[in-house]
Amino acid sequence: EADIYQTPRYLVIGTGKKITLECSQTMGHDKMYWYQQDPGMELHLIHYSYGVNSTEKGDLSSESTVSRIRTEHFPLTLESARPSHTSQYLCASSDLDSQRFGPGTRLTVT
Amino acid sequence: AQSVTQPDIHITVSEGASLELRCNYSYGATPYLFWYVQSPGQGLQLLLKYFSGDTLVQGIKGFEAEFKRSQSSFNLRKPSVHWSDAAEYFCALTGANNLFFGTGTRLTVIP
Repeated sequence: EADIYQTPRYLVIGTGKKITLECSQTMGHDKMYWYQQDPGMELHLIHYSYGVNSTEKGDLSSESTVSRIRTEHFPLTLESARPSHTSQYLCASSDLDSQRFGPGTRLTVT
Repeated sequence: AQSVTQPDIHITVSEGASLELRCNYSYGATPYLFWYVQSPGQGLQLLLKYFSGDTLVQGIKGFEAEFKRSQSSFNLRKPSVHWSDAAEYFCALTGANNLFFGTGTRLTVIP
């Protein structure tokens, strides 16, 4: 079934560790996005991509980086996690109009 | 600049009662508007969207929304709320590169 997947769903990690949040979609969408969502708050765009080898920063500044080597895969990396990175990270992809979201990764940095 | 405002942070309704969630937007042209629902610990699910045409749009789960250009609003409605509707609801507007989201309205449903 065509869908968008994120792993892990939950991650608790210590300060200074390098982490990669995975996002994959099987719909063949060119556009993909990463949003950050703090509890009870709206979503803020941190990265987006319009296709392979295309990545851009979003409206909210983030220390994370992304890559888009394959259409279906859009991983997000934090080189050195800090407690301020504790949040929920939502990946999305879109065709011509609406965005479809993954289930999210809830990250806690201790 | 585009923006989305959801004036109600939290709404509580009784099961079976009607529901209206408010959304106001600011945008320089005709907007593309969306309503998403987020259950606890989950991603966002699209309820409905408005691009053009009929200003009353029907969505999934019995929801509908009405676009009113004169009021810059896109309110979400449901005639009879079910306990499973308890969730966070986000109104969103398409910008140049992405969606702009409101701060969300948390819906609590009491028996």
